[in-house]
Amino acid sequence: DTGVSQDPRHKITKRGQNVTFRCDPISEHNRLYWYRQTLGQGPEFLTYFQNEAQLEKSRLLSDRFSAERPKGSFSTLEIQRTEQGDSAMYLCASSLGQGGHGYTFGSGTRLTVV
Amino acid sequence: KNEVEQSPQNLTAQEGEFITINCSYSVGISALHWLQQHPGGGIVSLFMLSSGKKKHGRLIATINIQEKHSSLHITASHPRDSAVYICAITSGTYKYIFGTGTRLKVLA
Repeated sequence: DTGVSQDPRHKITKRGQNVTFRCDPISEHNRLYWYRQTLGQGPEFLTYFQNEAQLEKSRLLSDRFSAERPKGSFSTLEIQRTEQGDSAMYLCASSLGQGGHGYTFGSGTRLTVV
Repeated sequence: KNEVEQSPQNLTAQEGEFITINCSYSVGISALHWLQQHPGGGIVSLFMLSSGKKKHGRLIATINIQEKHSSLHITASHPRDSAVYICAITSGTYKYIFGTGTRLKVLA
C-alpha cells in the first residue's frame, strides 16, 4: 500500500466549470476526510465518511460541493460551477477507526479557478 | 480567536541552529499533532502527543497540558528541514483543528 493517493495533483479550470477530484485511502482505513487549505492558512474540515456513509459536512461545503464514497473505498469530491474563491488545496486523509494513530494525508489536489 | 495559535508565523535560521516553534490552544484536547508540509502540499505526521515529550531523530516535541502549550524543537537544523510546520489538535472528535502553520527556512 502506497498511502493515500489523490488525483489530479493540479487542476486549472475556468470559472463556471465543474471539477471532480479523487482520493484513494489506505485500503484498511474505514474513515476518510476532506479538508480545504487556502494560501497561508491551515486546512479546514469539509466532510468525513465512515465506510460509505457521509457522517458530517461542514457549512463550508456549499450546495455546489458534493462528496461520495460509494463502496467505502475511494472517494470523489465534485465542485459544480466553480468560482475563483474555490481556488485552494484540497486534502484527503484517512484513518482506521477514531484515528488513534492520527491521519494519513494525501499529497493534495491544487485547484486554480481562472 | 483561533482555537490553535502558532508562533512564529515565519522563521529563518542558519544551518545548525536550534529551532523552536510554539503552539497554544484554548480547548481541552485528546491529542496534539505536529505535522510537516512541503511546498508540493503533502502533509506528513511528525508526532502525536497527549502528554510529556517525544523524540524522533533531530525533532523533539513537548506538551504541557496544564498550560495548553506545545513546542516543536529541531536540533542541528538543515536546509532540508525547510517546510511549513503545522500544529493541530483533536478535541474529543475525529476532526483535526489546525493552526495556520510556521513557515521555516533554513539557510545553508
